[in-house]
Amino acid sequence: EDQVTQSPEALRLQEGESSSLNCSYTVSGLRGLFWYRQDPGKGPEFLFTLYSAGEEKEKERLKATLTKKESFLHITAPKPEDSATYLCAVQPPTYKYIFGTGTRLKVLA
Amino acid sequence: GAGVSQSPSNKVTEKGKDVELRCDPISGHTALYWYRQSLGQGLEFLIYFQGNSAPDKSGLPSDRFSAERTGGSVSTLTIQRTQQEDSAVYLCASSSPGRAGEKLFFGSGTQLSVL
Repeated sequence: EDQVTQSPEALRLQEGESSSLNCSYTVSGLRGLFWYRQDPGKGPEFLFTLYSAGEEKEKERLKATLTKKESFLHITAPKPEDSATYLCAVQPPTYKYIFGTGTRLKVLA
Repeated sequence: GAGVSQSPSNKVTEKGKDVELRCDPISGHTALYWYRQSLGQGLEFLIYFQGNSAPDKSGLPSDRFSAERTGGSVSTLTIQRTQQEDSAVYLCASSSPGRAGEKLFFGSGTQLSVL
């Protein structure tokens, strides 16, 4: 069964304290792995798509990496405005994107 | 519009009443999804529309749920005889599929509360 597991469920960081979020997945034929950011009361906002193991993408303080079994979202020197829920999703060989339950990140000033 | 629009943003209803949730996707996007997000849960797939093809309704949790998409654009999700367990955020997303890994654009959702 296709599945996505994210850890930790919640993470509190001091401003400037770098860390990583994990997304483990099981999927029969990965067409793409996605990271989204979700702020309270809003829909998920797209961050990255990764297609194959070894691929990396960066945007400001965020860097996403992909292996055959998991993806990491690295946050370097986070700021309070990075506080949000980060969602990971995979697209199997169908159109049904499968989402994890997310990691709630809180960055303290 | 510039993004996916959903209405209402909040809906409070009494158990047993019917509700309609609306989604206006990004112009030109042929794919439209409905997901449900409950507290502490991941996004749960409900239904998928692609162009004029028959929708994939395999995620609808019961026959009280139905959805339609008119003219390949606006979609309405209807929940009949609402139950308390239907309380959740209902998210709509659209995309322009054509290759693997096409990202979804989400609306802000409808927060449904069933009393």
